[in-house]
Amino acid sequence: AQTVTQSQPEMSVQEAETVTLSCTYDTSESDYYLFWYKQPPSRQMILVIRQEAYKQQNATENRFSVNFQKAAKSFSLKISDSQLGDAAMYFCASLVNAGNMLTFGGGTRLMVKP
Amino acid sequence: SQTIHQWPATLVQPVGSPLSLECTVEGTSNPNLYWYRQAAGRGLQLLFYSVGIGQISSEVPQNLSASRPQDRQFILSSKKLLLSDSGFYLCAWSLTGGTEAFFGQGTRLTVV
Repeated sequence: AQTVTQSQPEMSVQEAETVTLSCTYDTSESDYYLFWYKQPPSRQMILVIRQEAYKQQNATENRFSVNFQKAAKSFSLKISDSQLGDAAMYFCASLVNAGNMLTFGGGTRLMVKP
Repeated sequence: SQTIHQWPATLVQPVGSPLSLECTVEGTSNPNLYWYRQAAGRGLQLLFYSVGIGQISSEVPQNLSASRPQDRQFILSSKKLLLSDSGFYLCAWSLTGGTEAFFGQGTRLTVV
């Protein structure tokens, strides 16, 4: 079974500062993807960033980047130059191709202070 | 392009009444389909997932059931709702070997 753990229920960051959200996962499979999703108050799930497990290079999308440590099974999200619109719930997730399991962590609520 | 439709958006049902939430995917074939529940301010709990017609895997024992009568249709049901069934229900799909999962708009269910 796959598990995804987010150890920070809530985080806060000052506008324009940088914040890192933590995520660890556990899987015995070698073929999988990792994601960070953003869920604003509208509850719509928005894909922030994706990482293929076979790629060593950390994914980057504008102000969002990940630190993927495969051996440690760690997948943290760094948000640079935080903006008020970044305030939301953030979910870490894994998608294992064998069995097609899509598993989420418990979420981290990010607050951005002006 | 692929789209996912989930309805209704909101639902208020009395305790003991039946439930049927529907999710359909368009523009793709043989998707993997998922039902999640999210309690207020909490994470996403995987309820059911399906890799094909008639194939349903249940992740947690509960008062709910799921069915997949057609390739791109996934239905979440209950014969008798409990107060604890209240929550936000999300349908999602992915493709085997695909690199992303896509979500419906969600259904906010309140059992009174």
